[in-house]
Amino acid sequence: GAVVSQHPSRVICKSGTSVKIECRSLDFQATTMFWYRQFPKQSLMLMATSNEGSKATYEQGVEKDKFLINHASLTLSTLTVTSAHPEDSSFYICSASGLGSPYNEQFFGPGTRLTVL
Amino acid sequence: GDSVTQMEGPVTLSEEAFLTINCTYTATGYPSLFWYVQYPGEGLQLLLKATKADDKGSNKGFEATYRKETTSFHLEKGSVQVSDSAVYFCALRGGYSTLTFGKGTMLLVSP
Repeated sequence: GAVVSQHPSRVICKSGTSVKIECRSLDFQATTMFWYRQFPKQSLMLMATSNEGSKATYEQGVEKDKFLINHASLTLSTLTVTSAHPEDSSFYICSASGLGSPYNEQFFGPGTRLTVL
Repeated sequence: GDSVTQMEGPVTLSEEAFLTINCTYTATGYPSLFWYVQYPGEGLQLLLKATKADDKGSNKGFEATYRKETTSFHLEKGSVQVSDSAVYFCALRGGYSTLTFGKGTMLLVSP
């Protein structure tokens, strides 16, 4: 299947700083990318959906100004957590679907563990 | 709204035991149903899927049948291996084309 990478895999930052997480589709063009958040022993919660070249569509309850999503190319989307606080600590997972994906199948990245001190 | 409920884990089995992980869903219309697997340190991988009632998805010895009458999509495998140890997520995709996940069930298989 298609490969999606995320960088970094782990990040620790101080409260008040901003953190950028990258999601890349390595061998296909990702027309749509999704960002999820996962708490321990919880399901993946969709945060936002982004289409290349367009503004992201955020799920209800997700702060747009706090979680900035950019999908500037068909292979890269970024999630920036601005002014991070300890409650933003979580596991963030991206996925991507592309042209010709059967049933719009999503391919998932390995996730990024964010810890805010 | 859409929701997925799956059994809590961890499920602990010996090698070659029979596996069942229950999954039930609530959705309007006719969703597509999926099982994803997440091996330690890796991303989610699609394990199998079913797009309409009575369809059976299968892959790597795993099976699940889309049961509309019971709104279920239970995952089964006749003989598990140590390498099957992972977290399994049941999911559905409804009318808005976004995935709704269950909480995940950890499977631990011992030799």
